[in-house]
Parts: sequence; C-alpha cells; structure tokens
Amino acid sequence: DSGVTQTPKHLITATGQRVTLRCSPRSGDLSVYWYQQSLDQGLQFLIQYYNGEERAKGNILERFSAQQFPDLHSELNLSSLELGDSALYFCASSGSGGELFFGEGSRLTVL
Amino acid sequence: GIQVEQSPPDLILQEGANSTLRCNFSDSVNNLQWFHQNPWGQLINLFYIPSGTKQNGRLSATTVATERYSLLYISSSQTTDSGVYFCAVENNNRDDKIIFGKGTRLHILP
Repeated sequence: DSGVTQTPKHLITATGQRVTLRCSPRSGDLSVYWYQQSLDQGLQFLIQYYNGEERAKGNILERFSAQQFPDLHSELNLSSLELGDSALYFCASSGSGGELFFGEGSRLTVL
Repeated sequence: GIQVEQSPPDLILQEGANSTLRCNFSDSVNNLQWFHQNPWGQLINLFYIPSGTKQNGRLSATTVATERYSLLYISSSQTTDSGVYFCAVENNNRDDKIIFGKGTRLHILP
C-alpha cells in the first residue's frame, strides 16, 4: 500500500459527460501529480500541484482541469468526455525527497 | 523538454534468466526512479536512484548521471517479474515535471 488513495477505481460514463476523480496523497506529502495512461501506452504527465498551487503543466487538454484543496487532496475534472479519454488516470504524491508514490489508478471508460 | 528512451521495448525470457533494462535521458536530472507496473496495472516503486548503485534482492540499479543513463538488472527472473518497467526522470531545470519513458515490457515464461 503506497498510502495514496484514488477514487473511484472504475468509472463508466457516456460521451459528453463530466466526471471528477479524487486523490488523497500520502500523509505529509505536499506535491500531487496526475498522469494519464491510455491502452498499452506510457504515462503522460498532466499536471502537478504543490501545497495548493499549480506547479507544472503537461499536455493537459482544456476540457480537463484540476485543483488541490487546503487539506491537500486533489481532484481532476474531465468534461465533454470523448471516446479517446478512456484511460487509466493515476495520481501520485511526493514529499521533500522527490520520490513518487502512486495510487492504484482510476479506470475511466467512455462509451 | 527532456527525452527519456528505454530499451529494449519488449523482452521475453525464460524463468531463471537475467536481464538488463536501459534508460537513456537527454539532459541532466535531479532524480530518477524505476517502477514496475504489474499485469493488474499497479505501479510499484523499485528504486529512487539519481546516481550510484542500489540493490534490493534480485534487483539492482545503476545510474551514471554524467553519461545520462540508468540500468536496471533483474537476476534469476520469476514469472512475477512480468509486466512493464518504467524509468522516470525529473529535469535538472526544476520545472517539476517528472517524465516517464515508454517502458520495457517484460514477459517471463515458466
């Protein structure tokens, strides 16, 4: 158990809909990262937060947004969903040492 | 941005064999990690190794930061070693992006 919690584990929805994925980092970790992994692909960096502030942005679509709350949990919002958004979405957290720890992922299926 | 290349992309071995996986990166890095993604999709930390050599049981890793590569050694492979091995690096320019290579898919045959 990495200590990073992601919900939901599985989500099935329709095109055009909006979903929210939630992540609770390891106790004491201030940084939260979001990654997308499409079928048989590598991990694409989406966005990183540090103590509530956006720190770095990757190839995140405009239809996607994220935030980190004062209690350090983070949410990734995906809107106007398309078939191609079906993927595993991972959250990871890190502390001062920089080592990443991943949650078990949220598997999104868009029908 | 920094480029991360892993080789080989695929590897099929018999149980008991040894293997070496390579990760090349195009710029200086602050940190480097190796992960194993098991067939159920879980990402497991193997090593946090920005430089030097570390060992953990049958696995060991070496990073030569000055030459911009890292190696992951797996000895006496077991079927449970199957999965995808990823290398991830954080660029030295501190843009805080941690970038993953495309991975090496390892299949260990019983």
